[in-house]
Amino acid sequence: GQQVMQIPQYQHVQEGEDFTTYCNSSTTLSNIQWYKQRPGGHPVFLIQLVKSGEVKKQKRLTFQFGEAKKNSSLHITATQTTDVGTYFCAGEVAGANSKLTFGKGITLSVRP
Amino acid sequence: NAGVMQNPRHLVRRRGQEARLRCSPVKGHSHVYWYRQLPEEGLKFMVYLQKENIIDESGMPKERFSAEFPKEGPSILRIQQVVRGDSAAYFCASSPLISDTQYFGPGTRLTVL
Repeated sequence: GQQVMQIPQYQHVQEGEDFTTYCNSSTTLSNIQWYKQRPGGHPVFLIQLVKSGEVKKQKRLTFQFGEAKKNSSLHITATQTTDVGTYFCAGEVAGANSKLTFGKGITLSVRP
Repeated sequence: NAGVMQNPRHLVRRRGQEARLRCSPVKGHSHVYWYRQLPEEGLKFMVYLQKENIIDESGMPKERFSAEFPKEGPSILRIQQVVRGDSAAYFCASSPLISDTQYFGPGTRLTVL
């Protein structure tokens, strides 16, 4: 079955440092979505990418969809303590009209 | 519009009891998903339902767990004869279409004593 992989599972950064994480799929995706879960909270939708090579920005967050539509990246510029949480990517297999498959997430901690 | 509602938010059960978790999707959403999250772990897909139908239950244990999404009323995740290993946060999500953005509820945190 389709797999969506996020490695590593944890990352620790110093406040002010940049942070990049990747999401890789074993199959071509029709779209990829990113969610954020704050500690003690529930996942909240951040963004959806649909086109090959698409780049979207939300303030200090930059999301990119790979050219082959099998991977995606999330880059945070100058991390802040408010960025802590777990970031999940989720993808839909192209042409399958199927539910989203979530990665295991990466938990980001930021040292003040 | 109200978001996804789950109740109870916290549920404590003793081993062997039944746990019944409820989820009311966003109004107009006909697709409901249940996930389990253990402490310090990611989301584990359990079951996907549309109104009155279970579409995919590949992530749900075959014994003791069941789910339904009736024509009227909330979706229910039922765990019979709970064991300590069932302690987790259970999240429900809904979407208007199958691959659309999923809107998550606040979760039910189940503790089995």
